[in-house]
Amino acid sequence: QSALTQPRSVSGAPGQSVTISCTGTTSDVGGYNYVSWYQQHPGKVPKLMTYEVTKRPSGVPDRFSGSKSGITASLTISGLLAEDEADYYCCSYAGTYTWVFGGGTKLTVL
Amino acid sequence: EVQLLESGGGLVQPGGSLRLSCAASGFTFSGYAMSWVRQAPGKGLEWVSATVGSGGKTYYADSVKGRFTISRDNSKNTLYLQMNSLRAEDTAVYYCANLNYYALEYWGQGTLVTVSS
Repeated sequence: QSALTQPRSVSGAPGQSVTISCTGTTSDVGGYNYVSWYQQHPGKVPKLMTYEVTKRPSGVPDRFSGSKSGITASLTISGLLAEDEADYYCCSYAGTYTWVFGGGTKLTVL
Repeated sequence: EVQLLESGGGLVQPGGSLRLSCAASGFTFSGYAMSWVRQAPGKGLEWVSATVGSGGKTYYADSVKGRFTISRDNSKNTLYLQMNSLRAEDTAVYYCANLNYYALEYWGQGTLVTVSS
């Protein structure tokens, strides 16, 4: 149950796109199409942004998109807005009803 | 509207015990697996435990296995986490969340557990 690997921080200017990577193993990210991403603003509760790699819950803007290749999943945020500045966490199902999170990425909107 | 409300957090000495509760409303509680996730101060999210809709099967992170017990009372729409042999490293905000499509769909506001002498 080792944590997934995410960059500590990423940044982008308003209107630009950023991509956050999430690297695991064949036992989690690479083994299942059950990667989800969460947004957490300071002092707030995490919010589900994508699930099953590419799907978005109702109400999440289509500026947020997920993808996966092999053992690496990614979250791309296009048309950056100031309100997108937050911490982002990936999470993968790891089999036998267990899950593993990434260490989190701080997104700064310049 | 889905609501999850955790309670039971507080200050406890190392080696002590605490039971967290998560009261659910706004959805068919028994129809969903439920999970606990924690976040140490200034740190990232850590999956802790999960249980299926019936409560008949339970699963744990290695870091809490043998010390924590997840359970649920579907007649009361409530999820529990019994935490024993608490350590300083268990200090965190504990969130409950429902599992849907293998993702943590809705989250409670969290309850803070502080383990310190």
